[in-house]
Amino acid sequence: GENVEQHPSTLSVQEGDSAVIKCTYSDSASNYFPWYKQELGKRPQLIIDIRSNVGEKKDQRIAVTLNKTAKHFSLHITETQPEDSAVYFCAASPPDGNQFYFGTGTSLTVIP
Amino acid sequence: ETGVTQTPRHLVMGMTNKKSLKCEQHLGHNAMYWYKQSAKKPLELMFVYSLEERVENNSVPSRFSPECPNSSHLFLHLHTLQPEDSALYLCASSPGAGGGFEQYFGPGTRLTVT
Repeated sequence: GENVEQHPSTLSVQEGDSAVIKCTYSDSASNYFPWYKQELGKRPQLIIDIRSNVGEKKDQRIAVTLNKTAKHFSLHITETQPEDSAVYFCAASPPDGNQFYFGTGTSLTVIP
Repeated sequence: ETGVTQTPRHLVMGMTNKKSLKCEQHLGHNAMYWYKQSAKKPLELMFVYSLEERVENNSVPSRFSPECPNSSHLFLHLHTLQPEDSALYLCASSPGAGGGFEQYFGPGTRLTVT
């Protein structure tokens, strides 16, 4: 089965700086890569996703890049704000099943 | 409000108890999921239902028994649990099953097994 690794497990940045979270996956057939944000005590919510036919996707201050050859994808948050503080999860999903494989999460703290 | 609700929000049960978790989605989705979220571990997909039919069962112990009476409701029946089963149990729904659909999560049930 698929194996998703996520780094770093914790990340602290100054407000206004950028944050980058990286994930690797093992199954080259995986073709859907969502990122979820989970604030303390709240449910995970999708913030951005990318499919394998695209190398980069951007939505305001967040962007995701995908390198299919190296089997890794990254979340980039620019101009971080305190409200970006949360746990971020990456996931990979192969096309021929009903599985989602999540990373272990990155706890991001944005220091005002 | 994402349209996925879960009850109860908190549950404490002994190892010999029987209890059930309930999930309801108001989004008109066709697929529903149960996940287990433990500290410092990845979200673990437990069960997937598509149009009320179970399509995935990820080697979950038989002390967890899912039920999906219709596409809007999902239950997780619990019996003779172990302390290591204490976790946050999240329900999710999506427009369809299979990869490529956004998962809409409920708020979760915080389960403590004593």
